[in-house]
Amino acid sequence: AQKVTQAQTEISVVEKEDVTLDCVYETRDTTYYLFWYKQPPSGELVFLIRRNSFDEQNEISGRYSWNFQKSTSSFNFTITASQVVDSAVYFCALSDPYNNNDMRFGAGTRLTVKP
Amino acid sequence: EAQVTQNPRYLITVTGKKLTVTCSQNMNHEYMSWYRQDPGLGLRQIYYSMNVEVTDKGDVPEGYKVSRKEKRNFPLILESPSPNQTSLYFCASSIRDTSYEQYFGPGTRLTVT
Repeated sequence: AQKVTQAQTEISVVEKEDVTLDCVYETRDTTYYLFWYKQPPSGELVFLIRRNSFDEQNEISGRYSWNFQKSTSSFNFTITASQVVDSAVYFCALSDPYNNNDMRFGAGTRLTVKP
Repeated sequence: EAQVTQNPRYLITVTGKKLTVTCSQNMNHEYMSWYRQDPGLGLRQIYYSMNVEVTDKGDVPEGYKVSRKEKRNFPLILESPSPNQTSLYFCASSIRDTSYEQYFGPGTRLTVT
C-alpha cells in the first residue's frame, strides 16, 4: 500500500532562517506523482508543486526548492530565508493514477515562522 | 474566476439527521473527489469520480455516499451522521485524474453531536 510520512509534526524557526520539511513515501509502483500543498491559517489548500516519478530534477521557485531522491524515496521541501507569511501546514502527497487513482497525503508539518 | 465551491461552510447537526454537502466546479474538470481532514491524519480520500456517473471508493468511504449526475457537481451525502464524522471536509477537482494538480474548495467544517 502507498504511504506518505512527514515525521516532523511541528517546526518553529525565526524569520530569515532556512528550513527543510521532510517527506518520505512508499510505493511499489514505478509510475507515480508527488505533490506539495500549503494550508495557511485561513484554511484553504494551495498547490505548490507536482513531480512525476521519472523526473528527478530538483526544482527551485523563488525561495522554495524541492529535492526529489528516488534512492531514498524522499521529496523534501526547503524554504530559504523564511518569512512570517510562510507559516502554514504543509502537506506532501503521493498519487497513483494507474492504481484506482490512489491518493495519499502525509499528516502534515506545521511550520511557524516567528518575526 | 476558476473555483471550487462548497456549501455549507459550517454545519452543526445531530446524530442520525441526513445531510448533504454540495460541491461545484466551473472548470469543466473530469475528476472530482472528497477528503476529510483530521488532526494528525492529514487528508484522507472518501470518494472520487472520474466523470459523470462514474464514482469509486477512496480510503474511508464508510458512512458516506456520493453521486455525479452532472459534470460540475459532486455532492457528499451523510445518510445517518455519527459523531466520528465530525471533521473538516474538502472537495477537489482536477482536469483528468490524480496525476494533475487538484483544486480544492474552501472546506466545510462539520460537527455531529
